[in-house]
Amino acid sequence: EADIYQTPRYLVIGTGKKITLECSQTMGHDKMYWYQQDPGMELHLIHYSYGVNSTEKGDLSSESTVSRIRTEHFPLTLESARPSHTSQYLCASSPKSQAFNSPLHFGNGTRLTVT
Amino acid sequence: GQSLEQPSEVTAVEGAIVQINCTYQTSGFYGLSWYQQHDGGAPTFLSYNALDGLEETGRFSSFLSRSDSYGYLLLQELQMKDSASYFCAVRLTLGRLYFGRGTQLTVWP
Repeated sequence: EADIYQTPRYLVIGTGKKITLECSQTMGHDKMYWYQQDPGMELHLIHYSYGVNSTEKGDLSSESTVSRIRTEHFPLTLESARPSHTSQYLCASSPKSQAFNSPLHFGNGTRLTVT
Repeated sequence: GQSLEQPSEVTAVEGAIVQINCTYQTSGFYGLSWYQQHDGGAPTFLSYNALDGLEETGRFSSFLSRSDSYGYLLLQELQMKDSASYFCAVRLTLGRLYFGRGTQLTVWP
């Protein structure tokens, strides 16, 4: 049973198009994250948010932008897609807990291909 | 910056024991996590070590030595369904996770 949902699951799009990857969670988590993962490689943090109206850039430079208008929703937007954006994008969330071992809950990801 | 090293591949047979090592260099270290990811699936949390020592959860155990900047994941009584990628990740300030490149575990019958 998925508590964090990503749509679309797969997306093939042409260069120059604007796209928005959707991510929603029903767990009431304050923290949300976007990771980028190429096949067989590590996950790179590209954006994160600690609550509504809070967004920060991650460790990997990305041309994407995010917004956090509602607790449950954390969409990622690419204004002009390029072939170099081809990758898997994983959304995750965790509770606003003082415990450092609060695990991340991941969605199933969006596999993006830009032609 | 941060760096994590873990083997790229490990193979074993059903019923065996496998240890996946992880060494790290990082600043602002709060703990070491392990995640499992099946092909095409989402990463799922396995364990977390903030203090030195062994944490056991069923067939899986995880160990941390902060003085050696080293940890490992131990998988016992391997099953075919354990074939997956296993990522170590260091927990940094503000709850961010920095992931290693992952270890592809293949379990043979």
